[in-house]
Amino acid sequence: GAGVSQTPSNKVTEKGKYVELRCDPISGHTALYWYRQSLGQGPEFLIYFQGTGAADDSGLPNDRFFAVRPEGSVSTLKIQRTERGDSAVYLCASSLIGPKNTEAFFGQGTRLTVV
Amino acid sequence: GNSVTQMEGPVTLSEEAFLTINCTYTATGYPSLFWYVQYPGEGLQLLLKATKADDKGSNKGFEATYRKETTSFHLEKGSVQVSDSAVYFCALSDDSGGGADGLTFGKGTHLIIQP
Repeated sequence: GAGVSQTPSNKVTEKGKYVELRCDPISGHTALYWYRQSLGQGPEFLIYFQGTGAADDSGLPNDRFFAVRPEGSVSTLKIQRTERGDSAVYLCASSLIGPKNTEAFFGQGTRLTVV
Repeated sequence: GNSVTQMEGPVTLSEEAFLTINCTYTATGYPSLFWYVQYPGEGLQLLLKATKADDKGSNKGFEATYRKETTSFHLEKGSVQVSDSAVYFCALSDDSGGGADGLTFGKGTHLIIQP
């Protein structure tokens, strides 16, 4: 596609439920990143994929968070047993190669609200 | 660990005023530095970058110089326009090989330009 696409744009879920957030990166981009942006804060790094593998998952806050990219394109961020503190905008980005000083292109994000 | 500190907003200026948004960083080694911009209703976009000390990044009339001695990367523009109203994020990429593979962002500075 023309840019990084994230779905849904908004998600409201109840505390304790499971959610999946989808990212469709720019075609041909091998690197994919997930970030979380809380209100009034800058994006915080969660995980980086190079191809199908998670090259760096050091930013995942705990084992309730998991992400996959089985075919090296679309990625899904999965959150189990959601908590109110998980409410944030989840951003996905992709770059042609990665990581370091290559330009990352961001999607518009998924706003997750846990009630 | 790595961190980025940028001036608090909102910053409100009149059209054609001179703009400076301060950004300082803490990092191991020699990071690459970035300014990203988020226009209303859009995703984060790379505005400019610098990959080594004394480099100057520039784009759309904005400039920032990588100052290793002051660990700074201040964003400047000589004459702002209403269309520059957005949130600006300073960020770094840890190129030392030992850090996380994602970007470390500041909290963002909301810039409002009044006609």
